[in-house]
Amino acid sequence: DTGVSQNPRHKITKRGQNVTFRCDPISEHNRLYWYRQTLGQGPEFLTYFQNEAQLEKSRLLSDRFSAERPKGSFSTLEIQRTEQGDSAMYLCASSSDWKNTEAFFGQGTRLTVV
Amino acid sequence: GEDVEQSLFLSVREGDSSVINCTYTDSSSTYLYWYKQEPGAGLQLLTYIFSNMDMKQDQRLTVLLNKKDKHLSLRIADTQTGDSAIYFCAESIGGGSYIPTFGRGTSLIVHP
Repeated sequence: DTGVSQNPRHKITKRGQNVTFRCDPISEHNRLYWYRQTLGQGPEFLTYFQNEAQLEKSRLLSDRFSAERPKGSFSTLEIQRTEQGDSAMYLCASSSDWKNTEAFFGQGTRLTVV
Repeated sequence: GEDVEQSLFLSVREGDSSVINCTYTDSSSTYLYWYKQEPGAGLQLLTYIFSNMDMKQDQRLTVLLNKKDKHLSLRIADTQTGDSAIYFCAESIGGGSYIPTFGRGTSLIVHP
């Protein structure tokens, strides 16, 4: 399968713990996006990478959130000191420079903070 | 999703056409998209339209764009039970990042 892959699919954590999610984009896609989706809402943009450079960050991305894409391939999203309000589905998407109008999404990581 | 608005629910009978509507506020939107999300799954890109077009057809799907009114619609012909899902309208602005901004989604329920 050459689609966008996200791990883990589900994560349950206690409030105050740190969590890290991984996204493997479609190979050769140099653009990578992270979104958050809460129940009954559409996906909300968090951050965007072009290769290894993080070019845009939403104001939703508080200081407890950090995203990296060190080699311009896979990306990680870390949430420190999780809060119950962080419970959501975290979606990753990727696109290519030559067809940057089409962003393809992964299955998402569902985070539950208890 | 405050820049993109959709009605929350639509119920249709199997075999009928479904029309899902969306309005957006940013007149500089370059691309407008329709994504489909089935329960527990990620988003699947169904189709998109460039802002200088007013219609795009792809098999059972027809997208209509009224740029003057900033209104986008998705028509699904011969709706099937497998079309039951949440449909998201999204817009993006050109000039580099093309980051889609999504509406809250329309839940389409297809009943026999």
